This record gives sequence, C-alpha cells and structure tokens, in this order.
Amino acid sequence: DIQMTQSPSSLSASVGDRVTITCRTSQYISVDLQWYQQKSGRAPKLLIYSASGLQSGVPSRFSGVGSGTDFTLTISNLQPEDFASYYCQQTYSTPYTFGQGTRLEIK
Amino acid sequence: QVQLVQSGAEVKKPGASVTVSCKASGYTFTNYYIHWVRQAPGQGLEWMGIINPSGGSTNYAGKFQGRLTMTRDTSTSTAYMELSSLSPEDTAVFYCARSAQYTTSSDSWGQGTLVTVSS
Repeated sequence: DIQMTQSPSSLSASVGDRVTITCRTSQYISVDLQWYQQKSGRAPKLLIYSASGLQSGVPSRFSGVGSGTDFTLTISNLQPEDFASYYCQQTYSTPYTFGQGTRLEIK
Repeated sequence: QVQLVQSGAEVKKPGASVTVSCKASGYTFTNYYIHWVRQAPGQGLEWMGIINPSGGSTNYAGKFQGRLTMTRDTSTSTAYMELSSLSPEDTAVFYCARSAQYTTSSDSWGQGTLVTVSS
C-alpha cells in the first residue's frame, strides 16, 4: 500500500494568513493526488483534483502543486469558513489511501 | 443536481452485518464509479473499496477482504455496502462518493451513515 505522510497534523492561523499543508507519498504517484476539506459533522468536499486542478466552485485562494511524491496545498488569505480539516488522497493505486489529516484552527 | 442520499443510522451487535445504501440522482448512475469511505469517531478517512456500477466489478481494500461486499441495483440507481462480522472497532460514519474514472477524485459525496456497533 502507498503510505501518505501529511503535515502538519494541526495548524493554528489567523484570518488573512497564508498556510501550506504538505503531503508526501511513499512511492511515485504522478499527479494522482486529491485534496479534500471536511468540516465537523459533514462529508468531505473536493477542493483540488489531480494535484493542481481547482474544483468548480472552489475559491481561487486554494491552490495545489506537486507531482511524483511531494505535494502541497496552499490557502491564501484565510477566511473564517476555511477553518476545517484537510485530507490528501492518492488515487494512483488501490487502496486509495488518505493522509492522516490536518486540522486548521483559528489562532 | 447530483445527489447521493444514504440510508439512516444503524445500531448493530458485535458479529452482525450491516448494509448501507446510497441512492444516486441527477446523473447517469452507470457512468460513475462509487467509492465507500469510512471515518471512525475523531479519526481520519479510510478508503474501503470501489464498485463500477456499469458492470458490477469491485476492488476492496485488503483489510476488508472477506467481510466487505459492494453491490448495485441499476434499476434504482442505488449502491450498497455490506460489512459483516462487525466489531466495536467498526463503529464509524460510512460515506459513499462518486468518481468519473477509476483513478480520479470523488467530486460528490453522500451525507454519511453512522453505524454503531455495541453489545
């Protein structure tokens, strides 16, 4: 199975800040990396597909880069509604493993 | 609009089985794969497996082999996930989600179904 290392596990930031979350995979996955946002008690929501594609309806302050084994999600100009948990997922080979998640909290 | 509507919460005893349904609407059911993902309380997301509603082929994560069954009913655009030999460690919210291709992202998710396993 492909192992996912997502960091940090938690992050404290303020409205207007820029934050970066990283995801490293144990083997090459091309750009088959997705990013999801999950708010408490809700289903995950797709933010970024194929490492850098912005899902329709997602604000442009979310961006993703990376290929191979190293990926990052950046949120610019944090808004109050962005405080949530974030997960990366590889869809290169089954099982389609998720990162451990990053909890983004208000400072 | 695209919707995946899941069945309601379940309470099961250890050793029992549970079946969760996921009814799709707003798109052609057989054109999208269905994934099942679970989330234990306070924990992260865990991918369980995938079904191709068109032909019914499945691929399960190894840890669930032997006790996980995914099926679909194309006449009602509904996918099903059955998990057997339940233990308290299976207590979780189970989600269905769709993807356009086998290896692409899940762009629409069900609301989740809480399954509680307790004696």
